[in-house]
Amino acid sequence: QKEVEQNSGPLSVPEGAIASLNCTYSDRGSQSFFWYRQYSGKSPELIMFIYSNGDKEDGRFTAQLNKASQYVSLLIRDSQPSDSATYLCAANAYSGAGSYQLTFGKGTKLSVIP
Amino acid sequence: ETGVTQTPRHLVMGMTNKKSLKCEQHLGHNAMYWYKQSAKKPLELMFVYSLEERVENNSVPSRFSPECPNSSHLFLHLHTLQPEDSALYLCASSPRTAGNTIYFGEGSWLTVV
Repeated sequence: QKEVEQNSGPLSVPEGAIASLNCTYSDRGSQSFFWYRQYSGKSPELIMFIYSNGDKEDGRFTAQLNKASQYVSLLIRDSQPSDSATYLCAANAYSGAGSYQLTFGKGTKLSVIP
Repeated sequence: ETGVTQTPRHLVMGMTNKKSLKCEQHLGHNAMYWYKQSAKKPLELMFVYSLEERVENNSVPSRFSPECPNSSHLFLHLHTLQPEDSALYLCASSPRTAGNTIYFGEGSWLTVV
């Protein structure tokens, strides 16, 4: 059973601080990892993906991957109130016939306090 | 505009009704998906189609029936649903080989009364 675990939160950080969101996954066959942001009442939107060990930076966002520890994280620098949302971690694995199956965590709710 | 369009955005139906959710993707992708999102649960993968052939069916009750007439369109036919089926139903698509990122539509909110 493929599982992705996240702390459901809520995680509260003051505006301007660094928000750190963590995720672990159980399937060692997972090759790619995704962070989606979901505002209340909206669908998930992709923030970043990562598939190599180490860090990947995109603006205020940094994704970190450690395959040995089966651990993925997302850092949000200079957090803004508009970053308040639920962040979904997902692990991807090829499931045959040209399709990829994402297994999602339950999400971590982030609240950035002005 | 995400490139994946779902209709209707909101649907209220009785337990004896038959309705359908529609999804259309404009991204040239070859794989399409139905996910279910309920409160306090992870996103659940329901069905996967690749090049119009179903490749995944994760033990979904038969009251949900998918249809993929071509690589751009996906339907979810609903009949004799239960109140616990009320949820957000998300359609998504992904390229076959160009990458493994999936892109979601805006979702269809379903309420079964």
